[in-house]
Amino acid sequence: EVQLVESGGGLVQPGGSLRLSCAASGFNFSTYEMNWVRQAPGKGLEWVSYIGSSGSPIYYTDSLKGRFSVSRDNAKNSLYLQMNSLGPEDTAVYYCVRGIYYFGYWGQGTLVTVSS
Amino acid sequence: AIQLTQSPASLSASVGDRVIITCRASQGIRTVLAWYQQKPGKAPKLLIYDASSLESGVPSRFSGSGSGTDFTLTISSLQPEDFATYYCQQFSTYPLTFGGGTKVEIK
Repeated sequence: EVQLVESGGGLVQPGGSLRLSCAASGFNFSTYEMNWVRQAPGKGLEWVSYIGSSGSPIYYTDSLKGRFSVSRDNAKNSLYLQMNSLGPEDTAVYYCVRGIYYFGYWGQGTLVTVSS
Repeated sequence: AIQLTQSPASLSASVGDRVIITCRASQGIRTVLAWYQQKPGKAPKLLIYDASSLESGVPSRFSGSGSGTDFTLTISSLQPEDFATYYCQQFSTYPLTFGGGTKVEIK
């Protein structure tokens, strides 16, 4: 069974940093492309980032302005999202998602709250 | 970035109704479009990919159609478990984008 389990969310002050993790199991992680998708409270879905199976290519949504960095460790079956210079607009549930042409598997999400 | 405009933003319908949700892309995306269903507090669930291919395990009352810029998701006979929010997503060009969502509520 495919499982994606996010962790690392929480309350952070504006301007702070946070690193999200996603532990993958039930499939050969090193052969799949991965993504992060977020959803602000009461709002729609926003794709955040993509990383290829071997760590490249990497893409981000335009609005991040270089503040986020996606990476993966195939030996640990893990996906990461380093988030810097966080602002209130980054408050959202962050989902780890598998796929390249459609998103068939999603984690349960981890909530990031940016507030003083 | 390619914009996806869904309509309506919300609708009220009864069990058994036929429901049609549309998604319009700001430029042609061939058939590289997916549809998702999301219930409160849950992760989205894939319904349709490649504009018209039904994901395994999804009831056949869901169908998708379209190509280029205009797409539709049809629920042929709305069931109680179908009350949710539906999103389209394009995979043609990065950055990937989602439509704004359509909330299907009980009349």
